[in-house]
Parts: sequence; C-alpha cells; structure tokens
Amino acid sequence: ILNVEQSPQSLHVQEGDSTNFTCSFPSSNFYALHWYRWETAKSPEALFVMTLNGDEKKKGRISATLNTKEGYSYLYIKGSQPEDSATYLCAPATSGTYKYIFGTGTRLKVLA
Amino acid sequence: DARVTQTPRDKVTEMGQEVTMRCQPILGHNTVFWYRQTMMQGLELLAYFRNRAPLDDSGMPKDRFSAEMPDATLATLKIQPSEPRDSAVYFCASGLDVGTEAFFGQGTRLTVV
Repeated sequence: ILNVEQSPQSLHVQEGDSTNFTCSFPSSNFYALHWYRWETAKSPEALFVMTLNGDEKKKGRISATLNTKEGYSYLYIKGSQPEDSATYLCAPATSGTYKYIFGTGTRLKVLA
Repeated sequence: DARVTQTPRDKVTEMGQEVTMRCQPILGHNTVFWYRQTMMQGLELLAYFRNRAPLDDSGMPKDRFSAEMPDATLATLKIQPSEPRDSAVYFCASGLDVGTEAFFGQGTRLTVV
C-alpha cells in the first residue's frame, strides 16, 4: 500500500501571505502525481499532473514542484486569497498498478 | 459541458437493503474510479476500470461490494447487504487514460440506518 503523507494537516494564513505544503511518498516505482483542490461541499478538481523529476507546473498564483528521487512534491500559493481556502490533496501512483492513492490533504483557510 | 454524472445524489436506506450507485463517465474517457470519502482515511480508492475492465478492486470489501461497467457509459457500485458503517460519500471519477487527471462527479451521499 502506498504511504502518502501531507503536511501540515491544516493551515490558517492571512490574505496576501504566501504558503506552501508538502506531499511525501515512496520514491520507488514512481509513475505520476496529481494535485487536487477540494472546496467544501464540492468535488475535487485537478490542479496539476506531474510526471518527471524536476517538473514545475504553474497555474496563476499556484505552482508545484516534484522530486521523484527523494519522494516529495511541494505546492506553493503566492499571495493567498480567501477563495484559495480549500483542502489540497496529492495523489501519487506507482508504475504497474497506476492506482492513485490520495493523501489526507492540507486544509487551508485564508483569513480576510 | 462534459462532466461525470452520479445518481442518486442522496440515498437513505435501511440496514440490510441493497444499494446501487450509478456513474456516467465523461464521453471518451476510458478510466473510471470509485472512491469513498471517510473521516479517517479521506478519499479511499475502492475500484478502478480501464476500457471497462476492472484493473483493481483490492480496496473494496469483497463480501458485500461489487463494481461493474456494463457499458462504456455506465459504471455501477453495488452494496448488498448494506450496513451502517457503509455510510459515506461515494465519488466516481473518470479520466482520458491512466496518468491523466481525473474528473470527479458530485458524489452520492449514502446513509444506512
């Protein structure tokens, strides 16, 4: 079973602050990693699909990096806004199984 | 616009009854996933399919759960008999292929009393 850890579990920041979260996973047999954004009472929405070591992806104020050799990915939010409040989930998969196993997420609350 | 459709949105049933949840994946997507949202484990993978063939259902309690794709436009998750501990939100998601992002449906909130 793939052990996926996300930290911190929850985070409160002020509007305008920049923040980042970590997703840790076993580095062996890595296939791909997805980041999702999950707002309360909605469904998870994909942010990034990352496959290569050293990948950097960006969407507006949100960006992510990937290190497959050491088994971690960072998600960054620059200049947080209240609408960024959500749970951010990572889901890595190993080659062969291609099963995306979700971490328990980082719950972000941006205070106005 | 293209989206994953799940029915029903809410289901309340009595313990011991059969429950069937349905999912219509996005047209052209060949992977389908069933997840269960629980307080303790977040999103738990129950089963997934590629080109309608089950690739993995190791996360599913075999004695009471079953998942099928009778055709490319329909995936079903069945619980028989249902138990109170099955109460959760069940999500279906579909993707173009293995490795691509998954698009989630709105979920079915199941309550077993």
